[in-house]
Amino acid sequence: SQKIEQNSEALNIQEGKTATLTCNYTNYSPAYLQWYRQDPGRGPVFLLLIRENEKEKRKERLKVTFDTTLKQSLFHITASQPADSATYLCALAFNQAGTALIFGKGTTLSVSS
Amino acid sequence: DVKVTQSSRYLVKRTGEKVFLECVQDMDHENMFWYRQDPGLGLRLIYFSYDVKMKEKGDIPEGYSVSREKKERFSLILESASTNQTSMYLCASSLGTGTGELFFGEGSRLTVL
Repeated sequence: SQKIEQNSEALNIQEGKTATLTCNYTNYSPAYLQWYRQDPGRGPVFLLLIRENEKEKRKERLKVTFDTTLKQSLFHITASQPADSATYLCALAFNQAGTALIFGKGTTLSVSS
Repeated sequence: DVKVTQSSRYLVKRTGEKVFLECVQDMDHENMFWYRQDPGLGLRLIYFSYDVKMKEKGDIPEGYSVSREKKERFSLILESASTNQTSMYLCASSLGTGTGELFFGEGSRLTVL
């Protein structure tokens, strides 16, 4: 069965540093991969999508890479701030239509000032 | 502003009760989803629907059913609630085509006593 794993449950970093979160998947060849942010008690919010033919995608301080050979995506937050503290989830579509997503368990990022 | 609205933020029910969780979206999306989220297990897909009166099982459909009589509304039904269904339930929607970016509701926290 398809598996999607985020390698750490928690990541603690200091303000101003770059946070790097990892997402690995097996038994699947997704056309794209998505990243979401979830704050406590709230629903996840979409951040970025990267397609299989894109090596890298950027949005403000966020950067996502996608290596289909390694079956891995990296999510970077540069110049991190305490407001970036949240749980970050990666997701990929498992059905042929590409519309039904499975999620990793998430990595909880804490940025201290 | 686009919106996915879940009818109840918090519910407390007794074992054996029938429970209805309602979700409404105002974005004219074709796809709707129900997930549950538990500590250590992440988001797991229960059911999804890609059209009115259509439904597909997700990873954990046992003990649940769904109803989609209108495009904007997707209901999750627990026919006979059990304590192991105590969880956070999240509804989401997405466009029928494209890359499947999900829009989530705020969640319904269900406690079954």
